[in-house]
Amino acid sequence: EVQLVESGGGLVQPGGSLRLSCAASGFTFSSYWMSWVRQAPGKGLEWVANIKQDGSEKYYVDSVKGRFTISRDNAKNSLYLQMNSLRAEDTAVYYCARDEAGGYDRLRNYYYYYMDVWGKGTTVTVSS
Amino acid sequence: AIRMTQSPSSFSASTGDRVTITCRASQGISSYLAWYQQKPGKAPKLLIYAASTLQSGVPSRFSGSGSGTDFTLTISCLQSEDFATYYCQQYYSYPLTFGQGTRLEIK
Repeated sequence: EVQLVESGGGLVQPGGSLRLSCAASGFTFSSYWMSWVRQAPGKGLEWVANIKQDGSEKYYVDSVKGRFTISRDNAKNSLYLQMNSLRAEDTAVYYCARDEAGGYDRLRNYYYYYMDVWGKGTTVTVSS
Repeated sequence: AIRMTQSPSSFSASTGDRVTITCRASQGISSYLAWYQQKPGKAPKLLIYAASTLQSGVPSRFSGSGSGTDFTLTISCLQSEDFATYYCQQYYSYPLTFGQGTRLEIK
């Protein structure tokens, strides 16, 4: 069974740091791009970041650039999100998701990815 | 960033109804659009990708259409388990962006 299990959430003070983990199983982790998506309480979904299979490419939403770092360890089938300089507005449930290739642009040598498998999420609360 | 706008934001319907949710992109995204269903306290679930391709295991009463900037999700005959929030998402360019969600409630 394909499964993603997040961990590492908790209560942290503004300005603090937290590292989220996502353990993958049931598929060849090293063959997939992976994403983090978050959802603030009572709000919609916000994509945060994703990372290429070998970690050589990473993309971030502007609101976390310079504060969050996505990484992975293919030997451990694990995805990470290092969150620094946390703010109250980072309070959310953080989901790990698998990116599935959904198209290819030959001119740009660019693949398009949608998120096909999601974990259950881990809650991050930033508050004093 | 590409802005995704869904309509309506919420509405009520009855089991057996046919319902349509609309999603509009602020610029053309070809067919690089996905639809997700989310129930309270649960993770999102992929329903449709490439605007109209049904994800494996998703009931055939769900369908999607559109390309460019205008897209629709249709549920042909509402079942009790379909009452949830639905999100569209573009994966044409970074940052990947979602619509604000459409909450479907029981009338």
